[in-house]
Amino acid sequence: TQLLEQSPQFLSIQEGENLTVYCNSSSVFSSLQWYRQEPGEGPVLLVTVVTGGEVKKLKRLTFQFGDARKDSSLHITAAQPGDTGLYLCAGPSGKITQGGSEKLVFGKGTKLTVNP
Amino acid sequence: DTAVSQTPKYLVTQMGNDKSIKCEQNLGHDTMYWYKQDSKKFLKIMFSYNNKELIINETVPNRFSPKSPDKAHLNLHINSLELGDSAVYFCASSQGGTRSPLHFGNGTRLTVT
Repeated sequence: TQLLEQSPQFLSIQEGENLTVYCNSSSVFSSLQWYRQEPGEGPVLLVTVVTGGEVKKLKRLTFQFGDARKDSSLHITAAQPGDTGLYLCAGPSGKITQGGSEKLVFGKGTKLTVNP
Repeated sequence: DTAVSQTPKYLVTQMGNDKSIKCEQNLGHDTMYWYKQDSKKFLKIMFSYNNKELIINETVPNRFSPKSPDKAHLNLHINSLELGDSAVYFCASSQGGTRSPLHFGNGTRLTVT
């Protein structure tokens, strides 16, 4: 099963600062998804990246998929308290189950706190 | 209009009891999932059903039994609860395939005492 390592594990910053969090693997992924999870809620999809070198923007969030499709990053510009949450990356496991399906594996997440 | 709803939100019970968590989705998706999130926030898949058929069955104790009466519902029954079962359990649905986004419910926090 392909593994995803996320860093940093925790990040606490002041409002207005910029930050980057990373999702790395030694394996090639056909696609990667980024989710944000707020306390007491389920994860919500932010973006899916599928092409090596792809850059996607979502307001102040910029997502990049590495050229070799082994890593991805999320950059937040001028962070706001509303950006606080657990950021998770997820990708296909690389293994087909007995049921003929491929599961999605998640990294352990980066817990971001943006202080006012 | 909640897309994926699961009940209950909180479940506190004693060791040895049997409990169920219910999940319903109104998105018309064919695939539904149960995920477990431990105290360190690690999210791990337990089961997946596609149109009522079990397609992913991870290595979980057989005390956990999913049931899908129809493609809009996926329930999770847990027998003989143990302390280590304490976690947040998330139901999710998708159109299927690893590029389709997962739509999660808001979780059921299970505490076994």
